[in-house]
Amino acid sequence: QQQVKQSPQSLIVQKGGISIINCAYENTAFDYFPWYQQFPGKGPALLIAIRPDVSEKKEGRFTISFNKSAKQFSLHIMDSQPGDSATYFCAASVSGNTPLVFGKGTRLSVIA
Amino acid sequence: ETGVTQSPTHLIKTRGQQVTLRCSSQSGHNTVSWYQQALGQGPQFIFQYYREEENGRGNFPPRFSGLQFPNYSSELNVNALELDDSALYLCASSLGRGLSSYEQYFGPGTRLTVT
Repeated sequence: QQQVKQSPQSLIVQKGGISIINCAYENTAFDYFPWYQQFPGKGPALLIAIRPDVSEKKEGRFTISFNKSAKQFSLHIMDSQPGDSATYFCAASVSGNTPLVFGKGTRLSVIA
Repeated sequence: ETGVTQSPTHLIKTRGQQVTLRCSSQSGHNTVSWYQQALGQGPQFIFQYYREEENGRGNFPPRFSGLQFPNYSSELNVNALELDDSALYLCASSLGRGLSSYEQYFGPGTRLTVT
């Protein structure tokens, strides 16, 4: 049973455009929702994270939108750049210091 | 501040052999979690160590075992290797207490190939 469903599987965006990746979760006990960025041959890097007490969090060009009632959250990358081309994973955990449950990933390609 | 490091980078083993992977946690972190990432998939939780004690385990068989040392570095041991064990093994470190305990920082991983 997949607890975090991520879509789309792959995404192609023009340089300067907005990249949007969506995740849905089932476990209402989840209270921490990070996004990770992974380049080929590297480990996942923590990009941005949100707790359910806020509906949006923005850091630079990256924004998380969170909808608690729909059990969905999404990552928006504004002004997408070729350097943003990577695989993005959403994840969730129940509380601090507990395992992260990951989505299957979205391969983003930003083309000039 | 030193990040999470893992060794070796790559490893090739034969089915039935045993392997040990190593991880040094980020400075100040006392918790280490291990994940297995198959090609094209998200990481899957194997187990976690907090202050040298196992603090949770995922759906992996007992031939996957681990240790955490007093300096909070950690080992992952896999016995009787199977072809399906071929994957990227990731170590993540975190603080054990407080809001910052939510944040897990990953190392570069060890790519294990079982032939």
